Amino acid sequence: KAGVTQTPRYLIKTRGQQVTLSCSPISGHRSVSWYQQTPGQGLQFLFEYFSETQRNKGNFPGRFSGRQFSNSRSEMNVSTLELGDSALYLCASSLDRVPDTQYFGPGTRLTVL
Amino acid sequence: GEDVEQSLFLSVREGDSSVINCTYTDSSSTYLYWYKQEPGAGLQLLTYIFSNMDMKQDQRLTVLLNKKDKHLSLRIADTQTGDSAIYFCAESRMDSSYKLIFGSGTRLLVRP
Repeated sequence: KAGVTQTPRYLIKTRGQQVTLSCSPISGHRSVSWYQQTPGQGLQFLFEYFSETQRNKGNFPGRFSGRQFSNSRSEMNVSTLELGDSALYLCASSLDRVPDTQYFGPGTRLTVL
Repeated sequence: GEDVEQSLFLSVREGDSSVINCTYTDSSSTYLYWYKQEPGAGLQLLTYIFSNMDMKQDQRLTVLLNKKDKHLSLRIADTQTGDSAIYFCAESRMDSSYKLIFGSGTRLLVRP
């Protein structure tokens, strides 16, 4: 069974732009969570989606948003990019809602110049 | 608070055992996880333990849980150079809606 896939793997943007990242969960998994990883703050939870609904949200500004489609694929969007948004964005899927075990994708490395 | 704490660095010789330690915050934690991250990669789930268990063994990996002290450890037997990576422990708590709360990671260096 294929693992979690994320596209693109690498992205370079400039301040003020917006970006959309995509995540395809493991087949049959219905929950998708997003995490941001930076050297300074470590791994921080962004949000969780299940059945196309946001179930939980971390402490991030409204510039960070997401959605989930009927096939469980998820996208996250960051608008008005700031230098501090440079990070590795990780997506995790689980069969059911957390605390079901989460499996992570390889991440999207976003660099904001 | 939400802090899960880990030591930053561990160096061992190939063939020795490695023990990576973690303290978590809440005895009501439901699940406790160990993830491995290699350079440029995502997180690989190694193992997990339910909070009503004391120990779990999976091939070279042994997880020990001390609920009284809120202490979790991961023992890797016969450590290999391919085990060099960053190891994260994470807890999942009902009062945080079960999102994963990660420690800062322990960098394991295996010397030949």
